[in-house]
Amino acid sequence: DSGVTQTPKHLITATGQRVTLRCSPRSGDLSVYWYQQSLDQGLQFLIQYYNGEERAKGNILERFSAQQFPDLHSELNLSSLELGDSALYFCASTNRDRVMGNSGANVLTFGAGSRLTVL
Amino acid sequence: GENVEQHPSTLSVQEGDSAVIKCTYSDSASNYFPWYKQELGKRPQLIIDIRSNVGEKKDQRIAVTLNKTAKHFSLHITETQPEDSAVYFCAASLGNTPLVFGKGTRLSVIA
Repeated sequence: DSGVTQTPKHLITATGQRVTLRCSPRSGDLSVYWYQQSLDQGLQFLIQYYNGEERAKGNILERFSAQQFPDLHSELNLSSLELGDSALYFCASTNRDRVMGNSGANVLTFGAGSRLTVL
Repeated sequence: GENVEQHPSTLSVQEGDSAVIKCTYSDSASNYFPWYKQELGKRPQLIIDIRSNVGEKKDQRIAVTLNKTAKHFSLHITETQPEDSAVYFCAASLGNTPLVFGKGTRLSVIA
């Protein structure tokens, strides 16, 4: 167990629907990252939140949105789903902001992922 | 922004042989280069990383080398074992910017 919790583990839905993926970072970690991993593809950065605020945005579609709540958990909302949105969605957190020994390195710890299948 | 290229995309080696995976990055300001291992159906896990002020780092059978001038870094696995079979990802970042990953290398160790 990495300490990063993602729910649900698996989700099957139909095109046009909307889903919400949830992530709880490791205790004390302030930053949350969302990555998308499609079949045989690498990890594509979607969006980062730090202490409730959006910090960086990657290749995230306009149909997707995210937020981080005061308790630091984050949700990724995917709407108007298409077949191509089927993928593994990973959440990761980092302790970079609170551990001086990291020397500024962005060491990410990933959750187990949420596998989304759009039929 | 940063772009990371990774080669090869697949690699098969005999058990006991060495495996080498290479990555290049585009942003000369990047200063952190981790390697993640992802077993089938599992989450990516950090196996080794290197900062830009170091040229080489070793941890048992795995090592990473960094050439800042050429903007490339490599993962070396010696005495490969079947349990080394997985997908390996390299990544690069600067400070607290998000990690940019390569597309991965599927390593198969044949017993």
